[in-house]
Amino acid sequence: GQQLNQSPQSMFIQEGEDVSMNCTSSSIFNTWLWYKQDPGEGPVLLIALYKAGELTSNGRLTAQFGITRKDSFLNISASIPSDVGIYFCAGSNYGGSQGNLIFGKGTKLSVKP
Amino acid sequence: KAGVTQTPRYLIKTRGQQVTLSCSPISGHRSVSWYQQTPGQGLQFLFEYFSETQRNKGNFPGRFSGRQFSNSRSEMNVSTLELGDSALYLCASSTEGGYTFGSGTRLTVV
Repeated sequence: GQQLNQSPQSMFIQEGEDVSMNCTSSSIFNTWLWYKQDPGEGPVLLIALYKAGELTSNGRLTAQFGITRKDSFLNISASIPSDVGIYFCAGSNYGGSQGNLIFGKGTKLSVKP
Repeated sequence: KAGVTQTPRYLIKTRGQQVTLSCSPISGHRSVSWYQQTPGQGLQFLFEYFSETQRNKGNFPGRFSGRQFSNSRSEMNVSTLELGDSALYLCASSTEGGYTFGSGTRLTVV
């Protein structure tokens, strides 16, 4: 079945740093989604991408839908402590509002000690 | 506007028992999906219901089942529980704007 490879698995951030993470797939999707999950909560949608090549921002977050439709990137600029959490990419062939989402394994953001 | 409500939040069951989890979607959302989240496998799709009909199904054994009622509320049932069924079970309701997840039910099988 379809699988997503998300990297890095974890990273430490210092306040003010920029953060990048990405997802690659063995097959194409027509929708890419990025979620954040805090402890004890469900994932919250950050950004949805519907078109190959699309670049979309949500505040300090920017995500891109790869031209090949097999990858996506999420960048966080000027990180703040509340950015800590687990970020998931998800691919969909149903427009992101129905059917099954295929999730990556997540990128865990922690604060640098 | 109320979000997606899942009950109960926590549950402890014994191997061999069955369990029913409940999900109330956002008002007006007709699609409800269920996901299992474990540290090893991550988030995996169980099934999706729309207008009381199962529209999509993931690769889980028949012990996992669900249903949706006329008010769009959904339940999922797991029979003959196994230790490996311990997980966070997430429900998501959706409309054209995308999925909204609930906070989940943490099921522990002992």
